[in-house]
Amino acid sequence: QSVLTQPPSVSAAPGQKVTISCSGSSSNIGHNYVFWFQQLPGTAPKLLIYDTNKRPSGIPDRFSGSKSGTSATLGITGLQTGDEADYYCATWDSSLLGVFGGGTKLTVL
Amino acid sequence: QVQLVQSGSELKRPGASVKVSCKASGYTFSRYAMNWVRQAPGQGPEWIGWVNSNTGESTYAYGFRGRFVFSLDTSVSTAYLQISSLKAEDTAVYYCVREGVPLPQYYFFLDVWGNGTTVTVSS
Repeated sequence: QSVLTQPPSVSAAPGQKVTISCSGSSSNIGHNYVFWFQQLPGTAPKLLIYDTNKRPSGIPDRFSGSKSGTSATLGITGLQTGDEADYYCATWDSSLLGVFGGGTKLTVL
Repeated sequence: QVQLVQSGSELKRPGASVKVSCKASGYTFSRYAMNWVRQAPGQGPEWIGWVNSNTGESTYAYGFRGRFVFSLDTSVSTAYLQISSLKAEDTAVYYCVREGVPLPQYYFFLDVWGNGTTVTVSS
């Protein structure tokens, strides 16, 4: 069982908006930056959001990140079929060190 | 561009050892730490730990202390992960991942991922 809790799956229609939650605790999300990764089928994870709400160059502004207390959220607007992937949150934990969420599978209907 | 190229797939018997390589290019190898992450089939990633590419000092997650060892060959910009006494549950894809801020800083900023090495442990 992962330290960070994510919903196993979310779905939405093309063009719509979806949010993916990541729930942690005061020892991890509550005091550290959150990172989000996108993993397309058969590929390595790719950094999508860093420092909770920043996007690396090349990542469209359809992707956004936020945090409130011990939970973080990834938002994706203007959904495209190419966004179908697994999404993982990650952060530093004061006891466990680097931790990941269990992942959320996004289906674009 | 920054690139991490890993060694090919491995099939090992339980109890054997394996050494995975990760060759870096496109940046000064010794300026950035290297993380190692594994992903078992159908599971999320697990952070194994990180190695300071300048000093060689390693930090391991609790579940990976003992059988997992990081090493470096800075002359060829390559990081290594050696796993000893392999178990079936070590079957996974292993990734090297660059730390995105230059040393001596470290804060789990996994910015560039290698292509992954599949390690299969089976009798």
